[in-house]
Amino acid sequence: GQNIDQPTEMTATEGAIVQINCTYQTSGFNGLFWYQQHAGEAPTFLSYNVLDGLEEKGRFSSFLSRSKGYSYLLLKELQMKDSASYLCAVRELLVTGNTPLVFGKGTRLSVIA
Amino acid sequence: DVKVTQSSRYLVKRTGEKVFLECVQDMDHENMFWYRQDPGLGLRLIYFSYDVKMKEKGDIPEGYSVSREKKERFSLILESASTNQTSMYLCASRPATDSSGNTIYFGEGSWLTVV
Repeated sequence: GQNIDQPTEMTATEGAIVQINCTYQTSGFNGLFWYQQHAGEAPTFLSYNVLDGLEEKGRFSSFLSRSKGYSYLLLKELQMKDSASYLCAVRELLVTGNTPLVFGKGTRLSVIA
Repeated sequence: DVKVTQSSRYLVKRTGEKVFLECVQDMDHENMFWYRQDPGLGLRLIYFSYDVKMKEKGDIPEGYSVSREKKERFSLILESASTNQTSMYLCASRPATDSSGNTIYFGEGSWLTVV
């Protein structure tokens, strides 16, 4: 089983930095993903962490601590177009050997001027 | 260019009807998934398939079944639709081995309303 928690909503100002946290509890961990989803659209991939540490990709960075069951997504130089839902997802390793992707409920980020 | 195609974007069905949601991928992926997404509940895994004719239950399989007769096609079946199955359904696919871990592709979603 799994439990993935992230804040429901956040608001931040254009040009600022925002950190979206995600905590998880899974029976088997095989990687953590962050996705961005604009209203009415499918999720799109942002980042992937399987080892502890920070992964940086342009304005977006993602951090993972496996011992703490914790990750965050850091968005820098916020733009209005960053207003979206951000989904934390864990690739769970099942006893069957299969690895489905399980999502948190998402964090709706509003960027204001 | 990779493609996951869901046959219907918007459907309206009556309570008790049998509903088929079709998903086709052209990337020769072994793994395919069906999720539903509801406000406040996020994306929840219904069923997934890791090979032809192979399937495994996700977190909320009740009221659903699936079919994977061909590698490229994964169908979600609502045997007798109910109003609580009104939702947005997302299909996704992924290869069996992905060293980078990021190669999961989503379809555009199917909005189902059961009246």
